[in-house]
Amino acid sequence: DAKTTQPPSMDCAEGRAANLPCNHSTISGNEYVYWYRQIHSQGPQYIIHGLKNNETNEMASLIITEDRKSSTLILPHATLRDTAVYYCIVRDLHASGGSYIPTFGRGTSLIVHP
Amino acid sequence: GAVVSQHPSRVICKSGTSVKIECRSLDFQATTMFWYRQFPKQSLMLMATSNEGSKATYEQGVEKDKFLINHASLTLSTLTVTSAHPEDSSFYICSARASRGSGNTIYFGEGSWLTVV
Repeated sequence: DAKTTQPPSMDCAEGRAANLPCNHSTISGNEYVYWYRQIHSQGPQYIIHGLKNNETNEMASLIITEDRKSSTLILPHATLRDTAVYYCIVRDLHASGGSYIPTFGRGTSLIVHP
Repeated sequence: GAVVSQHPSRVICKSGTSVKIECRSLDFQATTMFWYRQFPKQSLMLMATSNEGSKATYEQGVEKDKFLINHASLTLSTLTVTSAHPEDSSFYICSARASRGSGNTIYFGEGSWLTVV
């Protein structure tokens, strides 16, 4: 029961910026947007999260629209090692007394090519 | 950053036997851990939520007697696949929630490949 929509696949040239979109039109006021990625045969890796302000860390930038209905993950200078499936997740008040339990959609398969 | 470690990373077992997978939070205490299963080319499917000191909460369709979860301490949760069958072969991933300010970021282990022959 993922609440996000992402394109199934994207590709990007090495060294260029990769912009991965995510729609979360039903997001509520207290829900955060999280991004994870999963490189083949590894566990998901946390990238970044935000509530309404744009966020930046050493891995990526997260741009959240003013109405919070969509966001974009930006990898400023993509490398071949950034090839992975990228998951956009919103805080899911799923059972367990309101604890945050990440549920995954299909994500975006990003392929970075030389 | 926070580290979650799983062991073993790969295991092969005979059909009918049981296998245990450990999930440890290495530099933080995790009151809640989650177990996922992932089949090839599919997304992660939540199996159960494990709370320290209490019984795990299983997702619909997941057999609690087959997938035994124990969360005996704040840094360790174990998943035991009992009477394993070839259809249980999968990539099993655990995650743990670190309570750090806003958002309660969740960190994932490296995953464990189980092959039942």
